[in-house]
Amino acid sequence: EADIYQTPRYLVIGTGKKITLECSQTMGHDKMYWYQQDPGMELHLIHYSYGVNSTEKGDLSSESTVSRIRTEHFPLTLESARPSHTSQYLCASSEQTGVPEAFFGQGTRLTVV
Amino acid sequence: GESVGLHLPTLSVQEGDNSIINCAYSNSASDYFIWYKQESGKGPQFIIDIRSNMDKRQGQRVTVLLNKTVKHLSLQIAATQPGDSAVYFCAERGSGNQFYFGTGTSLTVIP
Repeated sequence: EADIYQTPRYLVIGTGKKITLECSQTMGHDKMYWYQQDPGMELHLIHYSYGVNSTEKGDLSSESTVSRIRTEHFPLTLESARPSHTSQYLCASSEQTGVPEAFFGQGTRLTVV
Repeated sequence: GESVGLHLPTLSVQEGDNSIINCAYSNSASDYFIWYKQESGKGPQFIIDIRSNMDKRQGQRVTVLLNKTVKHLSLQIAATQPGDSAVYFCAERGSGNQFYFGTGTSLTVIP
């Protein structure tokens, strides 16, 4: 079982609110990722990080931002939530070398009303 | 970015039968592929992987086949069980070591 945790699991929030989705992993992985997934659809990479102080935007444009101050922590922030942000957000991590598979958290299902 | 797509969005099989889930990818330079299983309300879980220097890899009840000539990947599940019901994604590792996922195939096992 992967040691990667996301909180909260579910979040319903009003339009205009600032939210931060938490992601932590205890595997010492350098690489971390955020994916956005709508029901029944593929995962879209929105952010990734190669290590501390490294953040990059993924293929899907997102109004969210991320930070990587510590290896184990990769939070995602939405400054002003909108209904179009309603989706599931999945965090993942992988090793820099060796086995490259990505381990996923359980996801955060966000609903903006 | 790279494009990974699945041929069939849904698949229903009888319990005990073998399942085959297909995946097409677009980047011939991709060097690593993974199959993930995602159950309802959970994050994707690793099933099996294969590197581009291999054609076939077997796990417990699962086999992945890679055909680089036509850029095609398949997942075979032997003796499919009700617990295998889930959405299955293939993913390729592209440039910059990001993982790109396809749409997913929803597998339903009929008891």
